[in-house]
Amino acid sequence: RKEVEQDPGPFNVPEGATVAFNCTYSNSASQSFFWYRQDCRKEPKLLMSVYSSGNEDGRFTAQLNRASQYISLLIRDSKLSDSATYLCVVNNNDMRFGAGTRLTVKP
Amino acid sequence: EAGVVQSPRYKIIEKKQPVAFWCNPISGHNTLYWYRQNLGQGPELLIRYENEEAVDDSQLPKDRFSAERLKGVDSTLKIQPAELGDSAVYLCASSQPGARGYTFGSGTRLTVV
Repeated sequence: RKEVEQDPGPFNVPEGATVAFNCTYSNSASQSFFWYRQDCRKEPKLLMSVYSSGNEDGRFTAQLNRASQYISLLIRDSKLSDSATYLCVVNNNDMRFGAGTRLTVKP
Repeated sequence: EAGVVQSPRYKIIEKKQPVAFWCNPISGHNTLYWYRQNLGQGPELLIRYENEEAVDDSQLPKDRFSAERLKGVDSTLKIQPAELGDSAVYLCASSQPGARGYTFGSGTRLTVV
């Protein structure tokens, strides 16, 4: 079993849609959690950290459920510029990346 | 502030040839990482340095891969000899103590033919 598992997608949604990505992790001792965004042929960039209490940054909401070892990312009012691959990342001394979920937002 | 700088951006070599990648982390970032990313996959850790010490190299294929960070700043990753399966993007990242998240360089795209 992979340490971090994500639905690879692709998710194809119209502009304005709400889309949710899920991620599960296997190491219950993991300490911190993140979502990274990666555009085609670019490096991953930190999108947001994920906290147990849930956190929001504009149209983006991240949630962590430690009991279920589950992380989610919700994007509201999708924009064309949100098209990218979203990587779930779990940190236990080192950052372990999921394979990513590809999102395409269409006009 | 300059980001993590990697070179070269692209490299095409024949199999069995050696290749080296260079990384200059963000100033003041003590921790440096080398990751490999295959197409359609997330980055996979190869090695982590704390200053000049390699503290986690368990995923580094030591028969052909080597890395160094002699003065605790710049780092090089070498493959000798390269194999077809080594074709991937090699990403360097750095972080400072207590930081949440890493900063990645733009990567080196290696193609072995």
